Amino acid sequence: QVQLQQWGAGLLKPSETLSLTCAVYGGSFSDYFWGWIRQPPGKGLEWIGEINHSGGTHYNPSLKSRGTISLDTSKNQFSLRLRSVTAADTAVYYCAREHRGVNRFDPWGQGTLVTVSS
Amino acid sequence: QSVLTQPPSASGTPGQRVTISCSGSSSNIGSKTVNWYQQVPGTAPKLLIYSINQRPSGVPDRFSGSKSGTSASLAISGLQSEDEADYYCAAWDESLNGWVFGGGTKVTVL
Repeated sequence: QVQLQQWGAGLLKPSETLSLTCAVYGGSFSDYFWGWIRQPPGKGLEWIGEINHSGGTHYNPSLKSRGTISLDTSKNQFSLRLRSVTAADTAVYYCAREHRGVNRFDPWGQGTLVTVSS
Repeated sequence: QSVLTQPPSASGTPGQRVTISCSGSSSNIGSKTVNWYQQVPGTAPKLLIYSINQRPSGVPDRFSGSKSGTSASLAISGLQSEDEADYYCAAWDESLNGWVFGGGTKVTVL
């Protein structure tokens, strides 16, 4: 059974760079896309972006080119970096496996709360 | 403001049927499949329904999905206390070229 475990810094100052990593345990790494989704406190879900097994990426335009998703196939890990964070980037960040063809996110990581505060 | 529109709340007594709507447009629900996620407060979302009406293994058959035009619905029949959670619809949007979500519906079991 596939499990996703994520980690990263939970407290940032404005203008710093958010950095999160998600490790994939069990199952194939190369047959799927891998995505990041975030959820501001008390609010709904927002798609951040995705990466395929070849390293091709795709981002939500609302991030205004601040995001970078990368892959480390040797470790079965993928990462998110978000530059120049502000308080508006405060959220729980989730990683998830994305099935293509019958498109869906399943499973999800446990989530990481990232707070941006001076 | 979410691209997909859901009612903020829904409720019912145990055993009742509850329906949650999700309204979109021709660039998302109208042309693509719809997924539903269940999120118990403090936990990660869990896939509940995919491809409009398919249930992953382990999801009870009292959860069902449907779609008509640019709207989709999630129905919970035989409501149980453990169904108290937030429910989100999601679809691929051709204009955004990315995923869009509804704002979520909080289901309360009275």
